Amino acid sequence: EIVLTQSPVTLSLSPGERATLSCRASQGVSGNYLAWYQQRPGQTPRLLIFGAFTRAPGIPDRFSGSGSGTDFTLTISRLEPEDFAVYYCQQYGSFALTFGGGTKVEIK
Amino acid sequence: EVQLLESGGGLIQPGRSLRLSCAASGFTFSTYALTWVRQAPGKGLEWVSTIVGSDSSTHYANSVQGRFTISRDNSKNTLYLQMDSLRVDDTAIYYCAKAKASGGSLTWVFDYWGQGILVTVSS
Repeated sequence: EIVLTQSPVTLSLSPGERATLSCRASQGVSGNYLAWYQQRPGQTPRLLIFGAFTRAPGIPDRFSGSGSGTDFTLTISRLEPEDFAVYYCQQYGSFALTFGGGTKVEIK
Repeated sequence: EVQLLESGGGLIQPGRSLRLSCAASGFTFSTYALTWVRQAPGKGLEWVSTIVGSDSSTHYANSVQGRFTISRDNSKNTLYLQMDSLRVDDTAIYYCAKAKASGGSLTWVFDYWGQGILVTVSS
């Protein structure tokens, strides 16, 4: 199965700053079938990005996804207070479906 | 409005069985794949199992293969997860999640999630 490694584990930033989150796959993700989810404290995961770069409906354009093959990035251009959360990547190019371990974006 | 409501969780001893249910509404239940994802306390997300809408084919994580069984009742708009031979490391919040689309690659992307139900396996 494909192992997804997210880095950094924790990202300490201030509101208004840019966040860059990495997701590295142990082997190429077929079709660049990679999604990103946000999980705020005490809430359920929320789909942000699928197909590596397509925003889900209702997701602000400050969220953007990029990458291909084994290296993918989620960028939040200017952090809003509600963006401080844990972010997970997920690959769906092959079974077993796998998630990364998560990156926590915390307020500095 | 899409709604997913899990039930059936609780405290259970190792080796015993438990069945989770997920009641769905707000979409054409029979045409969408449904998935169970779990999250151990303070940990990340782990895919458990998916049942496809079109043919009810099933897929399992290696960690639960042979112990868990996913099923659906399209007449009741309900998803199930039968969990047998439970282990301490099955302790987690179990979420049911809906596929983003009724076919293609988005079968494996999740756009709506239930609130989750806690399963605690302990003696």
